[in-house]
Amino acid sequence: DADVTQTPRNRITKTGKRIMLECSQTKGHDRMYWYRQDPGLGLRLIYYSFDVKDINKGEISDGYSVSRQAQAKFSLSLESAIPNQTALYFCATSDLGGAETQYFGPGTRLLVL
Amino acid sequence: GQNIDQPTEMTATEGAIVQINCTYQTSGFNGLFWYQQHAGEAPTFLSYNVLDGLEEKGRFSSFLSRSKGYSYLLLKELQMKDSASYLCAAVDNYGQNFVFGPGTRLSVLP
Repeated sequence: DADVTQTPRNRITKTGKRIMLECSQTKGHDRMYWYRQDPGLGLRLIYYSFDVKDINKGEISDGYSVSRQAQAKFSLSLESAIPNQTALYFCATSDLGGAETQYFGPGTRLLVL
Repeated sequence: GQNIDQPTEMTATEGAIVQINCTYQTSGFNGLFWYQQHAGEAPTFLSYNVLDGLEEKGRFSSFLSRSKGYSYLLLKELQMKDSASYLCAAVDNYGQNFVFGPGTRLSVLP
């Protein structure tokens, strides 16, 4: 079984709709991250959380919100989706310390019409 | 500010050697990661450097110069399956933030 899972894997929605992307991990890591990836722009950090009671904004948090329901679960919400939020979204986890790499989920491909 | 720069695309021939460069400017520094990402898939870890010098791991090696804000990934004996994007990421102090470069798309030709 995969260590980091994301649901759904693909999603098409309409402008103005609220949607939630979910991430679960079995690695026992404290740190979880949400990124979006657009062609030519690399991975950009949306939000990150270092434990259940810790939520931090990343580079591009506007239009997004998150919830850390448990150590293993970190959800990303788009309150009112817009077309420029069409992207590939990745969840990632890491353990404490800078030497620990991030482990990525398989990604969610979102299309906002 | 924080900035990571890498070439957008590179092309190389099967069996050859290719070097992918990365320059970075970050507020605080606690290491440099390289990831491989095949199209539509998740990035996967390749290497980590925190001290100056070369780290070798099979066909892949990574080099870091902290004073120059520079790293490179060296791929030897290229194979077709090495066609992918290669992401450079710098970590700030305490590993609080990973800053990713735009990625270098490598095409390996027969």
